[in-house]
Formats: sequence, structure tokens, C-alpha cells
Amino acid sequence: GNSVTQMEGPVTLSEEAFLTINCTYTATGYPSLFWYVQYPGEGLQLLLKATKADDKGSNKGFEATYRKETTSFHLEKGSVQVSDSAVYFCALLHQGGSEKLVFGKGMKLTVNP
Amino acid sequence: EAEVAQSPRYKITEKSQAVAFWCDPISGHATLYWYRQILGQGPELLVQFQDESVVDDSQLPKDRFSAERLKGVDSTLKIQPAELGDSAMYLCASSLTTGTPEAFFGQGTRLTVV
Repeated sequence: GNSVTQMEGPVTLSEEAFLTINCTYTATGYPSLFWYVQYPGEGLQLLLKATKADDKGSNKGFEATYRKETTSFHLEKGSVQVSDSAVYFCALLHQGGSEKLVFGKGMKLTVNP
Repeated sequence: EAEVAQSPRYKITEKSQAVAFWCDPISGHATLYWYRQILGQGPELLVQFQDESVVDDSQLPKDRFSAERLKGVDSTLKIQPAELGDSAMYLCASSLTTGTPEAFFGQGTRLTVV
């Protein structure tokens, strides 16, 4: 079945550090890929998405590139801020089959000043 | 900005009691999802509606959980009787239609069963 594997946290970084959160997926065909963010006490918000191979999603300084050859969608940010402290979820949507979002377990990021 | 509304935000209930959650999706969104998020885990789909019809409830514990979306707009998720293991965040999400590559989430209902 479809699944998403994320690197496990929690991770603590200092402000302005570089961030990478690894995400790989297993799916048949060509799923759409997403990163969702969950700030403390809130629901999930879509951070960025990519719907086909080699697409790059970007938002708020975050980027992720859909790599079909490595089945990956790693999230990166060059300089994190305290306000980026949250839980980050990688997800896929496999259209044409069971059309539901499948989430990874999430990774908690804390950014210290 | 349109958003998915959920209530209540927090609910504490005793084991074996009944509990219900409400969700109002973004206007015009045909697809509605209920997810359960256990602390430290990613959300898992409980039930998916397309308009008023259930299209996926394969992970819904049907002996105690029920969901309805009678007029194809707002939805209610019920648990009866609640068990300690049901303590979790219950998230509602909506999208324009099934397979649309973007779902919008509400703030969730945090359920604690004591």
C-alpha cells in the first residue's frame, strides 16, 4: 500500500541554522506530495505541494523537490526562525485509487533563539 | 478567508459515555474527511464523504464510531461508548472534490477520555 516515511525527531536547532527533513514514499503510479505544518495547539496547514516529478514546491522560505528516481520529497530551509517551531508532516495523495491523504508520523522541530 | 470550523475545541469525557464532534467544511467543498491523530503520530483517516455519501470508512471502528453528513454540508462524528484509547485529536478536513490535491484542515477537537 501507499506509505510515507519521515526522519524521526524531535530536532532542536538554533536560529538561522539550515534545516533538512527527509521524506520518502512508497506508492504505485504518480502521487501528489505535500508538506503540512502543525503549530502548537492548531490544526494542519498546507505548507507546500508538488504534483508531478521534478516539480519544486516552495513557501515561506521552505522548498521541496519531487524526486521520482529516489521516491523522495525532502523539506529544506536555509535559515530557520523561532516561529518555524512546529511539527512537520510529509503526505501523499494517490489519485485514481484510494484518494486520501496518507501522512508520515511527523517531526517536531524546535528552534531556539 | 474561508476555513473549516470544528467544535468543540476540547472535550473531556468519562469512559463509556457518548461524545460527538461537529464539522462545517468550507462552502462548496464536496469532500469531507475525519482524521484521528494520536499524540506523536500522523493523522489517520477515519471516514471520507463525497457529498452525503461515504466513500471510505475502512478504518472507522464501526462498533463504536459513527459519522454522518446528512445534507452533504456539515458532519457529525460520534463515539459511543468512549474508551480510554480514543483520547486523541480529531481533525476534520475538506476539499473541493475527491482527489483534489489540497485539503484544508480545521483546528481539531482534542478529546480526553478519563
